[in-house]
Parts: sequence; structure tokens; C-alpha cells
Amino acid sequence: QVTLKESGPALVKPTQTLTLTCTFSGFSLTTSAMRVSWIRQPPGKALEWLARIDWDDDKFYSTSLKTRLTISKDTSKNQVVLTMTNMDPVDTATYFCARTYLGLAVAQYYFDYWGPGTLVAVSS
Amino acid sequence: DIQMTQSPSSLSASVGDRVTITCRASQSISNYLNWYQQKPGKAPKLLIYAASSLHSGVPSRFSGSGSGTDFTLTISSLQPEDFATYYCQQSYTTPPYTFGQGTKLEIK
Repeated sequence: QVTLKESGPALVKPTQTLTLTCTFSGFSLTTSAMRVSWIRQPPGKALEWLARIDWDDDKFYSTSLKTRLTISKDTSKNQVVLTMTNMDPVDTATYFCARTYLGLAVAQYYFDYWGPGTLVAVSS
Repeated sequence: DIQMTQSPSSLSASVGDRVTITCRASQSISNYLNWYQQKPGKAPKLLIYAASSLHSGVPSRFSGSGSGTDFTLTISSLQPEDFATYYCQQSYTTPPYTFGQGTKLEIK
């Protein structure tokens, strides 16, 4: 059974750095078909993909946010960590992590399992 | 980045109706298109991947089609549990990935 769960602070102040942890089970990030992405959703708005980390430690970032994001993994703990620097009130959102699976039959990626999300508010 | 545009932004329909949601990409993405369903306060759920492949456990009333720049999600006979927001998402080549702005399906 695949599960993911996000954890981190519910409130951060402007200019601070946000650190979020995704703890997962039911798969290994050492398997070539597996990746993990972070996606966020401001209240009442659309989904926005942020970053992806691969089994071989390749990393990919949102074009508009790449200077502020760092993604990393700890395979021994089955965790993926996202840091976002210089937080602003516009970064208030629910942050999701999702397994990013390479469907072998179609050779395409999709988000097949998601965590429940964690709401992060940015306010002084 | 590839832009994804969904239409309509919102839609009212009745149980039993056939509903179609459209997604258009700003450039050709072949069939690298996924559809998700999201209910309030919940994480999105994968419905369709590779434009037309039904994800495991998803009811067969959901179907997807399209290739290139134009895609559709069809629900053949709306059920009460289908009222939700639907998102398309492209996974063409390497990231960044992008989502559509969402289509909110409401009860008429």
C-alpha cells in the first residue's frame, strides 16, 4: 500500500525559509520508475507543480521558482525534503507531495499517489 | 513553459448527464496528458493518464481522448460523487509540468 504524508510548519513569517518533509511508504525511491514531486495549491486556486526528484538524484524545478527551491531525499528514511526560501504571503498554499510514476506501458509520467497535503500560511 | 487552458471554467449539470471538459495545450504535447479529480479539502486523484488510459479503480464512465494540442475528458453518465473540480496536466518531455486552471463541475 502506497502512502505519502507531508509535514512542516503551519505558519511561517515573511522572508523565512520553509522546510517541508514528505514521508512515504509502499515504494522505494531507489527503483528506476519512481520519482517524487511537490505540488502546491493556493486557497481556491489551481495546482502548481514545484519540483521533482528522481531515484538517481536528478532534480527538476519550476521555472519561476527555481532560485528559491531545493529538493533532496533521504532514501534510508523514505523521505523527500523541499525547502523554499524568502517566503511571501503569496506562497500561502496547501503543499502536496505526490509519487511521480513512470508508466512503463506508456513511457509517461503521472502523479498516481498523493499525500493529504499540508496548509502553510505566510504571515507576520 | 507549456500553458494548459481548460474550458469551461465551471459547468452545471444533472445526475445522468453526459459531460465533456476540454483542455488545450499551447504547443503539441502528443498524448502526454493526464486528468485528475479533486474534491474540496482533498488531494487530487488520478483519473486518466496518457490522454486515454484509465487509471486502476476509476469507473469506466470516465474516458479521455485527444492528441497534439486538444484533449477531452468525458463522463458518460454523471453520478452524485462526480461533482468536483477536474484538472488536466501535461508531462511532455522533462519538467516543468503544468496544470490547467481547473473546471468546477456543479450540480444543476
